[in-house]
Amino acid sequence: DAKTTQPTSMDCAEGRAANLPCNHSTISGNEYVYWYRQIHSQGPQYIIHGLKNNETNEMASLIITEDRKSSTLILPHATLRDTAVYYCIVRGTRMDSSYKLIFGSGTRLLVRP
Amino acid sequence: DGGITQSPKYLFRKEGQNVTLSCEQNLNHDAMYWYRQDPGQGLRLIYYSQIVNDFQKGDIAEGYSVSREKKESFPLTVTSAQKNPTAFYLCASSSQVGEQYFGPGTRLTVT
Repeated sequence: DAKTTQPTSMDCAEGRAANLPCNHSTISGNEYVYWYRQIHSQGPQYIIHGLKNNETNEMASLIITEDRKSSTLILPHATLRDTAVYYCIVRGTRMDSSYKLIFGSGTRLLVRP
Repeated sequence: DGGITQSPKYLFRKEGQNVTLSCEQNLNHDAMYWYRQDPGQGLRLIYYSQIVNDFQKGDIAEGYSVSREKKESFPLTVTSAQKNPTAFYLCASSSQVGEQYFGPGTRLTVT
């Protein structure tokens, strides 16, 4: 079972920030939070990951709460091309069963013109 | 261009036939993975391989087989034993502890 809980769907206006929440209350100390997105009928695309510090790259920012039980993916200026299903995944770092990506149903983000 | 290729994009087969899906990567990644996705669902892991000549079953390996004879190739065979083979199949690769990069997928339809 997925270790994360996400809203089924969200929407935001083009040009505005999209804030996608994720709960991972059972995360353990050596597990990272990963975000992927999947545009319809394509393979998932890696976005960002973090352990406990906030992270930012050219695509998005990841804010992880101090207790690490939840996080928020921020797309600062959403475009129509950001419409996709966003998956929040908790994953360990060992190359064993804890390393596999367990995809839940994700959040379907619709960016409105 | 570096990346992962899967072919073909669409594949049609008759029930009872085995079919092999291709996955090739030129990212020099050690690890490769196969996932299955059904409509409206997340991805489920079928098989993964951490290194050449070695692979492990994922969560839904029954009815599937793989080989890893070369670092860049990880073909998946969907056998006639797989009860519901129609699905979207995704291949991915990663360095040993890095993020996974996905191919474009193969949509298999069995009738």
